[in-house]
Amino acid sequence: GQNIDQPTEMTATEGAIVQINCTYQTSGFNGLFWYQQHAGEAPTFLSYNVLDGLEEKGRFSSFLSRSKGYSYLLLKELQMKDSASYLCAVRDFLTDKLIFGTGTRLQVFP
Amino acid sequence: GAVVSQHPSRVICKSGTSVKIECRSLDFQATTMFWYRQFPKQSLMLMATSNEGSKATYEQGVEKDKFLINHASLTLSTLTVTSAHPEDSSFYICSGKAGLSYEQYFGPGTRLTVT
Repeated sequence: GQNIDQPTEMTATEGAIVQINCTYQTSGFNGLFWYQQHAGEAPTFLSYNVLDGLEEKGRFSSFLSRSKGYSYLLLKELQMKDSASYLCAVRDFLTDKLIFGTGTRLQVFP
Repeated sequence: GAVVSQHPSRVICKSGTSVKIECRSLDFQATTMFWYRQFPKQSLMLMATSNEGSKATYEQGVEKDKFLINHASLTLSTLTVTSAHPEDSSFYICSGKAGLSYEQYFGPGTRLTVT
């Protein structure tokens, strides 16, 4: 079966750094995605990891450890507009489907 | 990046009626389209996967006779919610994927309210 876990909510201060963790158990792994979703809008792509290690893209970085079934999204220099839900999704090897985690609602305070 | 549109963005319908949602890939050919449903404060739940020209594959617990999916061309897929009930009120999101590409491109979503 598939199981993807993320914290439900997190808070942080403007300018700070926050790390959102995601652990997964899947029958067939073929990459992990992070998406940002503002309320009432569709998800927007942030990052994709298929090999172990850190991928950096500006203020956002994503890390993957396949042996541990673990990923994190790191957001630096937080801005108010970063307040959103962050979704971790694993791509299934056999079916090519994306299985989404529960999402983490991040609130950034001044 | 590639663009996917959905129409309508919001729809209100009466209980017992049917509503059709369109999903279009505007600048790429979506060989596979996915339909998701998202209830308030919850994550996206995959409803079905459709490949152009083939019947859709539904996830467990999703009624194929209630949620009719058509993927007649490489740029258009439709989801029809038949005999809608208030519990079908949700945010419906489609995404398209081209060939062996790893990325799915999401539409802006359709907010369905059944009264």
